[in-house]
Amino acid sequence: EPEVTQTPSHQVTQMGQEVILRCVPISNHLYFYWYRQILGQKVEFLVSFYNNEISEKSEIFDDQFSVERPDGSNFTLKIRSTKLEDSAMYFCASSKQGARVYEQYFGPGTRLTVT
Amino acid sequence: AQSVAQPEDQVNVAEGNPLTVKCTYSVSGNPYLFWYVQYPNRGLQFLLKYITGDNLVKGSYGFEAEFNKSQTSFHLKKPSALVSDSALYFCAVRDRENRDDKIIFGKGTRLHILP
Repeated sequence: EPEVTQTPSHQVTQMGQEVILRCVPISNHLYFYWYRQILGQKVEFLVSFYNNEISEKSEIFDDQFSVERPDGSNFTLKIRSTKLEDSAMYFCASSKQGARVYEQYFGPGTRLTVT
Repeated sequence: AQSVAQPEDQVNVAEGNPLTVKCTYSVSGNPYLFWYVQYPNRGLQFLLKYITGDNLVKGSYGFEAEFNKSQTSFHLKKPSALVSDSALYFCAVRDRENRDDKIIFGKGTRLHILP
């Protein structure tokens, strides 16, 4: 069964550094998402992406964040200047269509630790 | 505004007994409802969804959930719990009337099946 994959599984970085989290969505999916989960808290929506542009973003997704689909398979989340509070598990997800009936498939996550 | 409430942080059930994980929701229109499960060090896995039709939906691993519009609930159930069902369970909602695709998650309920 096709899966969403994410790399790396764990990223440690120093405050102020840039990080790029990578995701390979399921190949025939057209809608892509990033969520994050701070330790012990709920999963929070960050951004959705379709047709090479952001379709929606939350208030968490400020100017320090950006997303890109650089080629036909990868989907990346960049944090330009990391802060301590960016430490979280980041999940990528994809779905066949953006229609609300379609469930999203999640990757295993990247644990980001900012020191 | 959309929201999901999972009133129990943890549910303990003896193996073989029926289990229920509670979820209530609030949306301005009609909901699409989802349950996801998260095993340790893993991403979110889709279990089941309610879109329309029969209020009782069946999903993976023997789980089912019942949509109750009058009580705005979507409780997750299983007739006979297994130790391997121990995990973190998230209820999620999308508002049918909104054009956006993000999922709003509850805070999660940790299910602990006692052998």
